[in-house]
Amino acid sequence: GAGVSQSPSNKVTEKGKDVELRCDPISGHTALYWYRQSLGQGLEFLIYFQGNSAPDKSGLPSDRFSAERTGGSVSTLTIQRTQQEDSAVYLCASSLTRDTDTQYFGPGTRLTVL
Amino acid sequence: GEDVEQSLFLSVREGDSSVINCTYTDSSSTYLYWYKQEPGAGLQLLTYIFSNMDMKQDQRLTVLLNKKDKHLSLRIADTQTGDSAIYFCVHGSSNTGKLIFGQGTTLQVKP
Repeated sequence: GAGVSQSPSNKVTEKGKDVELRCDPISGHTALYWYRQSLGQGLEFLIYFQGNSAPDKSGLPSDRFSAERTGGSVSTLTIQRTQQEDSAVYLCASSLTRDTDTQYFGPGTRLTVL
Repeated sequence: GEDVEQSLFLSVREGDSSVINCTYTDSSSTYLYWYKQEPGAGLQLLTYIFSNMDMKQDQRLTVLLNKKDKHLSLRIADTQTGDSAIYFCVHGSSNTGKLIFGQGTTLQVKP
């Protein structure tokens, strides 16, 4: 079946602009995660959605970052007033439920802020 | 806080065994995972082990878990050039439901 998909695959933007990154999880997966992978670094947890519960936003680096998940499916990660340090690969993952069920990752969106 | 550490680089010759090691700090794990990331590709789940197991074997892959020492290893037998990738050790916390990633070990396989 279809895996996790993300769009766009690449995004180049100018400093100060807003960007939106999209994630389509695997159908039926109730948990959705956003991570960020900076050059030469491991993955950094950003935010986590589980069903209709309030999201766990504990990993968001600043209030310029926000995410929503509509209808328990598609999620959008928004970065406002982008900065150069926001340049990274943003990865989305989904799992059937919470509690460390296996997470399946999308291909990522490579964001470059000039 | 929670931390996962692994060596950054490993080089082996084709046909040799590769062993990638990892240590973690959080003892509340439920699952421990190995993910593989090939150049330009997304993260791929390679294998995982429940925290109540000591060993898991899956074809060429052997995962060993020492809970007392909080040490996880991945052994790849008969390493092939196609195994060249970055391997991430990942700890799944039963407290938070989050995955904590190590920085990744780059495996270079020389022909």
